[in-house]
Amino acid sequence: QSALTQPASMSGSPGRSITISCTGASSDVGAYNYVSWYQQHPGKAPKLMIYAVSNRPSGVSNRFSGSKSGNTASLTISGLQVEDEGDYYCSSYTSSNTWVFGGGTKLTVL
Amino acid sequence: QITLKESGPTLVKPTQTLTLTCSFSGFSLSSTGVGVGWIRQPPGKALEWLAVVYWDDTKRYSPSLKNRLTITQDTSKNQVVLTMTNMDPVDTATYFCARLSSEDYSNWGQGALVSVSS
Repeated sequence: QSALTQPASMSGSPGRSITISCTGASSDVGAYNYVSWYQQHPGKAPKLMIYAVSNRPSGVSNRFSGSKSGNTASLTISGLQVEDEGDYYCSSYTSSNTWVFGGGTKLTVL
Repeated sequence: QITLKESGPTLVKPTQTLTLTCSFSGFSLSSTGVGVGWIRQPPGKALEWLAVVYWDDTKRYSPSLKNRLTITQDTSKNQVVLTMTNMDPVDTATYFCARLSSEDYSNWGQGALVSVSS
C-alpha cells in the first residue's frame, strides 16, 4: 500500500485559514469514511484532531474541521494560531483491513 | 484516564529480533471494538503503520512488513507485545503504541526510540 499524498509544507498567517489535502485511492480514502487527522509537535506523540472524516474529539478546537471528496480528504484550520504550528498527518483505513498514513505536512504559522 | 506506555531496548544489533511491550491502563482490550496498534516514525520522517490486534484477537499487519512482525496480547496484564525480526539500521525509529477506538487511534503512548546499530 502506498502512503497517502500530502503537501510537504504549508504556511499561513495568524488569523487566516489553511486547508491541507490528503489524496489516496479508491481502496482507502475513497472507500471508507475512516479518515483521521493527527497533529504532532516536535518530540511529542501524535494527537487525534479529526476522526471519521469530519468529527472532532472532545477538547479539540472547533477551528479544526475535516471533509472528503472522492479520494481526497482535507483538513481546514481556521483562525490560525501560533500553537497550530507542527506536523499534520492524515490516515485512512484500507480495503486490506490495514491503515495507511500520509507523508505529513509541516505547517508554519508566520 | 487512558494511558499507554512503550518499553523495550533502546539499541539492537542488525539481524536481531526487537521485542516491544505496550502497557496500558484505563481501558480493556476485551471490550468490543477496541484494539491496540503499533506505529513507527524514523527520525525526521513520516508515521508508518505496523500492526494492530483487536479485542477478539484478530491481527492485521502492514503488507510490507508482514513477514517480520508478530503482535500478541496479554489481556490479564493489559499488555500488547510487538516483535520484529531481522532488524536493520533502516528500522531505527520511534515506535508508538496507540488505542484503536472505532477506526481511529485516539490515544497514543509517548513513544520508544529504538536504534539499530552494530
